[in-house]
Amino acid sequence: AQKVTQAQTEISVVEKEDVTLDCVYETRDTTYYLFWYKQPPSGELVFLIRRNSFDEQNEISGRYSWNFQKSTSSFNFTITASQVVDSAVYFCALSEARVSNTGKLIFGQGTTLQVKP
Amino acid sequence: DTAVSQTPKYLVTQMGNDKSIKCEQNLGHDTMYWYKQDSKKFLKIMFSYNNKELIINETVPNRFSPKSPDKAHLNLHINSLELGDSAVYFCASSQDVGVGEREQFFGPGTRLTVL
Repeated sequence: AQKVTQAQTEISVVEKEDVTLDCVYETRDTTYYLFWYKQPPSGELVFLIRRNSFDEQNEISGRYSWNFQKSTSSFNFTITASQVVDSAVYFCALSEARVSNTGKLIFGQGTTLQVKP
Repeated sequence: DTAVSQTPKYLVTQMGNDKSIKCEQNLGHDTMYWYKQDSKKFLKIMFSYNNKELIINETVPNRFSPKSPDKAHLNLHINSLELGDSAVYFCASSQDVGVGEREQFFGPGTRLTVL
């Protein structure tokens, strides 16, 4: 079955702390894509990153980094030196290339991150 | 300049009414989607169209009918609105390079409130 689990419902940190958002996925497909989206209080959904199942290299983009581990079916997201503007709901999502073959995104439940000044 | 736009942004209506939400993308994408976000922030796919052809219809009541007049537009019409239809509806689009490979770009959402 296809599923994305974000076990952390809410996280609260103080500015400048590092924070890791967990994402665990389930899929029968051998080719799939993983995504992270950010939904700030204004409500729009902002694309952050895409990773395909064949590329397990970690990625860093400024204060953001992603750790993809197929062995544990996890795609975790770390924000270094968090800032108040990072406060948002973060969604992990999965798209299957063959089993589903539709391109639909399966979202996790979302993690609400609150960064306090 | 808006990549994916939706109208209206807010929609308040009475139970039993019929309403439509419009979506347009100017990215030249081939595939468009409708997602529903409930009060607990859970996002779920409803429909997807590729080049005006329906490719996803996820157990959505037939009161919901998507219509794609061309590949840049995907509208959502809802008949006989119910209280449970209250949610935020997001339109999205992606380039059909490989199935599921490309990121989806989302519109700003339409907050539907059924009274």
